[in-house]
Amino acid sequence: AQSVTQPDIHITVSEGASLELRCNYSYGATPYLFWYVQSPGQGLQLLLKYFSGDTLVQGIKGFEAEFKRSQSSFNLRKPSVHWSDAAEYFCAVGAGGGATNKLIFGTGTLLAVQP
Amino acid sequence: DAGITQSPRHKVTETGTPVTLRCHQTENHRYMYWYRQDPGHGLRLIHYSYGVKDTDKGEVSDGYSVSRSKTEDFLLTLESATSSQTSVYFCAISETTGGSTDTQYFGPGTRLTVL
Repeated sequence: AQSVTQPDIHITVSEGASLELRCNYSYGATPYLFWYVQSPGQGLQLLLKYFSGDTLVQGIKGFEAEFKRSQSSFNLRKPSVHWSDAAEYFCAVGAGGGATNKLIFGTGTLLAVQP
Repeated sequence: DAGITQSPRHKVTETGTPVTLRCHQTENHRYMYWYRQDPGHGLRLIHYSYGVKDTDKGEVSDGYSVSRSKTEDFLLTLESATSSQTSVYFCAISETTGGSTDTQYFGPGTRLTVL
């Protein structure tokens, strides 16, 4: 069965430090992968997505993610974190085709940023 | 931002009462989804729609029904609310192809409390 694992429930980093959020997926076919961010009390905003091609994907707000098929991973990175990046981050895999476009989400990683 | 609104944004109700949540879009997208978000579970798909009057079940559909009589509106109904349905509910829409590469855009959410 398809699944997404985000092993870190909560991460704290200092402002200006680098960030890497981990995501591992289990999916039999070619995965379509997404990262979303959710600020407190808000909906989910798409950060970036991977469908095919270059395995390093650039997103909004200075984020990037790298797809590694051999490790079944799609980790999210940012070289220098800003206080406004404090939020919850969700990794998801597109798990259907045709008329069954379904997203399977990980449980999320809550990011806190220290001044 | 995608034109998605949800109403109400907050609701408190009692066990056994019926509740209807509304999702309205202005994007004319064919696909619409209802998710619930609970701590430790991420987002889980309840029901989705791939056209007017065309709906199907998701991962956690028990106790929920949906209807879509117009392209722009997708209603989620809890026939008899239970405390286990206390959650934050998100509506999402996606582009017309419906494939796994579609990007889903999320509404602001409805916080439902069942006492």
